Amino acid sequence: KNEVEQSPQNLTAQEGEFITINCSYSVGISALHWLQQHPGGGIVSLFMLSSGKKKHGRLIATINIQEKHSSLHITASHPRDSAVYICAVSTNNDMRFGAGTRLTVKP
Amino acid sequence: KAGVTQTPRYLIKTRGQQVTLSCSPISGHRSVSWYQQTPGQGLQFLFEYFSETQRNKGNFPGRFSGRQFSNSRSEMNVSTLELGDSALYLCASSISVRSDTQYFGPGTRLTVL
Repeated sequence: KNEVEQSPQNLTAQEGEFITINCSYSVGISALHWLQQHPGGGIVSLFMLSSGKKKHGRLIATINIQEKHSSLHITASHPRDSAVYICAVSTNNDMRFGAGTRLTVKP
Repeated sequence: KAGVTQTPRYLIKTRGQQVTLSCSPISGHRSVSWYQQTPGQGLQFLFEYFSETQRNKGNFPGRFSGRQFSNSRSEMNVSTLELGDSALYLCASSISVRSDTQYFGPGTRLTVL
């Protein structure tokens, strides 16, 4: 079983919809990261969380340390949000990644 | 500030050869981490360097090695290439530790024939 699980694997939404991507982990962590990867490979770090909630524009990320769960929300989704979203956790020894959620937002 | 740069961007090698990839972090960043991304395994942690010292290494064979220089630039080397080493190799830099926000380079796409 992967130590970092994401759901859903694939998500198709209409422009304007509210989107939620979930991440559960089973190891001790020092931080959780949400990453965005566009076709072509470039990765951008969206959030780094160790507790609570962060907001940046239309993106919101939350983490519940006790439940070992994090969510990434996108409000008012737009076709330019189409990308793969990856949850990653920093442990004492390494960084572990979820398999990613492929999001397609249709106009 | 310039972002993380990686050279070369694309590389084709044959089995048995060795390869060296380079990563220049954002100015002022002292931590550099390397990752391998393949369609089958996804993203996997290779190693992390801080102030010229390897702090951690992922579950990869000894053919994979790296180093960091005094200016924080880093190189990774893969010897005796295998077909399965074909992947996108990404480096990321952060200010001090891996749990800080990571800034990724564009990657080096290695193809082993």
